[in-house]
Amino acid sequence: EADIYQTPRYLVIGTGKKITLECSQTMGHDKMYWYQQDPGMELHLIHYSYGVNSTEKGDLSSESTVSRIRTEHFPLTLESARPSHTSQYLCASSELDGRAYNEQFFGPGTRLTVL
Amino acid sequence: GENVEQHPSTLSVQEGDSAVIKCTYSDSASNYFPWYKQELGKRPQLIIDIRSNVGEKKDQRIAVTLNKTAKHFSLHITETQPEDSAVYFCAAPPRGGNTPLVFGKGTRLSVIA
Repeated sequence: EADIYQTPRYLVIGTGKKITLECSQTMGHDKMYWYQQDPGMELHLIHYSYGVNSTEKGDLSSESTVSRIRTEHFPLTLESARPSHTSQYLCASSELDGRAYNEQFFGPGTRLTVL
Repeated sequence: GENVEQHPSTLSVQEGDSAVIKCTYSDSASNYFPWYKQELGKRPQLIIDIRSNVGEKKDQRIAVTLNKTAKHFSLHITETQPEDSAVYFCAAPPRGGNTPLVFGKGTRLSVIA
């Protein structure tokens, strides 16, 4: 079944560690996104990509990087984790259809705790 | 850029009553207005959307209305049930049409049995 997968689902790490959150989708979507969200609160866009080798920064991107080497894979890297990074990270994807907007499908999220 | 404001931030209704959540947007060129529902501990999911060529769309107990002149759109839930309790997010596209949707800050709806 076509879906979006995120690993790990939960992660507890120490301050200063480098981490990569994985996101893969089997929906064939060109557009992919990363959001940071405290549970039930506002969605903050971190990065997005509209295709292979295309990445753009969102509102909250200064402490993380992304890559898009394959259509289905969009990992997010925190170079040096801090307690302020403690949050839930949601990956999403949607179909590229010219300039039209379509439904965004969200992954199950990674809940990150930085000690 | 687009500014999306969502009200109220919290809403409590009795089971069976109606709930209305309103969003305003700033870009008159915006043409797509989705609503997402996020249940506790779950991922956001699209529940209904509307494009600017129509004024209203219904799907069973939920409906969305769009007023392009006033630049606002609303989610209406009738005959609310406990399973409607969730956080609801509206969204609108920014000017230019080729950058991600801008989401409202969310409304936490509680349906009291």
